Amino acid sequence: QVQLQESGPGLVKPSETLSLTCTVSGGSISSYYWSWIRQPAGKGLEWIGRIYTSGSTNYNPSLKSRVTMSVDTSKNQFSLKLSSVTAADTAVYYCAREISPGVPDVWGQGTTVTVSS
Amino acid sequence: NFMLTQPHSVSESPGKTVTISCTRSSGSIASNYVQWYQQRPGSAPTTVIYEDNQRPSGVPDRFSGSIDSSSNSASLTISGLKTEDEADYYCQSYDSSNLWVFGGGTKLTVL
Repeated sequence: QVQLQESGPGLVKPSETLSLTCTVSGGSISSYYWSWIRQPAGKGLEWIGRIYTSGSTNYNPSLKSRVTMSVDTSKNQFSLKLSSVTAADTAVYYCAREISPGVPDVWGQGTTVTVSS
Repeated sequence: NFMLTQPHSVSESPGKTVTISCTRSSGSIASNYVQWYQQRPGSAPTTVIYEDNQRPSGVPDRFSGSIDSSSNSASLTISGLKTEDEADYYCQSYDSSNLWVFGGGTKLTVL
């Protein structure tokens, strides 16, 4: 059974870059789409973007200028970088696998990132 | 782009049936699959319905999904309500560029 685990710093300073990694276990990262989603405390879900194992990406237009995603198939990992963060980027960040574009089936447990000096 | 609108909250008694709606603002609800997620407090979302009406393995058949083109909406129906079903439920679809769109979420109270 495929499992996803997010990892990365829990605290990031304003204006710096948030970096997270999602490790895929129990299955191969190849031939799937992989997404990042976030949720500020007490609020709804926001899709950040996706990457395919070929490296092709799609980003939420509202975040596109600050987002970079990458994939490392040798490590069964994919990553998110969000630059120039502010307090508004404080959220729980989830990774997810898509069985087809727009259709996720497996979610990670999430990791909390706080933006604060 | 379109929006997905859900009721803010619904409540029902144990053993009863509840339906949560998700209305698409523009474009046909049938154009792109709709998924439903359950999120209990402090936990990650889990998929309860995908591709409009498919249940992942392990999800009880008390959960069902449907779409209605006449109202341009999708629905999640939970029958035989249990207290453990109390959670936030989100619908999600995607646009022509495969960019995800979420509904605002519905808080289900089982009382």
